[in-house]
Amino acid sequence: EVQLVESGGGLVQPGGSLRLSCATSGFTFSSYWMHWVRQAPGKGLVWVSRVKNDGSSTNYADSVKGRFTISRDNAKNTLYLQMNSLRAEDTAVYYCVRSLGEGSVWGQGTLVTVSS
Amino acid sequence: QSALTQPASVSGSPGQSITISCTGTSSDVGGYKYVSWYQQHPGKAPKLILYDVSNRPSGVSDRFSGSKSGNTASLTISGLQAEDEADYYCNSYTSSSTLVFGGGTKLTVL
Repeated sequence: EVQLVESGGGLVQPGGSLRLSCATSGFTFSSYWMHWVRQAPGKGLVWVSRVKNDGSSTNYADSVKGRFTISRDNAKNTLYLQMNSLRAEDTAVYYCVRSLGEGSVWGQGTLVTVSS
Repeated sequence: QSALTQPASVSGSPGQSITISCTGTSSDVGGYKYVSWYQQHPGKAPKLILYDVSNRPSGVSDRFSGSKSGNTASLTISGLQAEDEADYYCNSYTSSSTLVFGGGTKLTVL
């Protein structure tokens, strides 16, 4: 069974940092592009970032470019999102997603709250 | 990276058909076949229901269908059922090598 389990969310002050992890199992992690997608409370889905299957290429939404870094460890089947200089508007549930398109599978999400 | 445009809400009675539109530009929806649709029930993670405009993953009902014309993609749900009540989001690849979601559409089954 394909599983994606996010962790690392929590309460952080504005300007702070947080590192999200997504542990995966049940599929060949190194074969897939992986994404982070977020959803603010009561709002819609927003794409955040993606990383190529071998980690050689990354892309970011303008709203997080320069502050967030996506990475992966194919030996550990784990995806990461390093979030720096956090702002109140980064408050959201962050989903780890295998592919956006064919084969897409979503984790259950981890809540990040940026507040003083 | 503006969000794709979807109607905020649509509604229909059981057994009826509804269509949700997703309008972008030639730099996203109009330029690529990589349009997908997701269904999200309250408190749950989104679930893929269509990919590459009109392809259904295994296990998704054939009541869900998709199409695209120009810069607008569409999701049609036929034979509406109570369980279809959910939020629906479109997603597209863009010419900037990023992805973009629509603002979401709340489907109410009357």
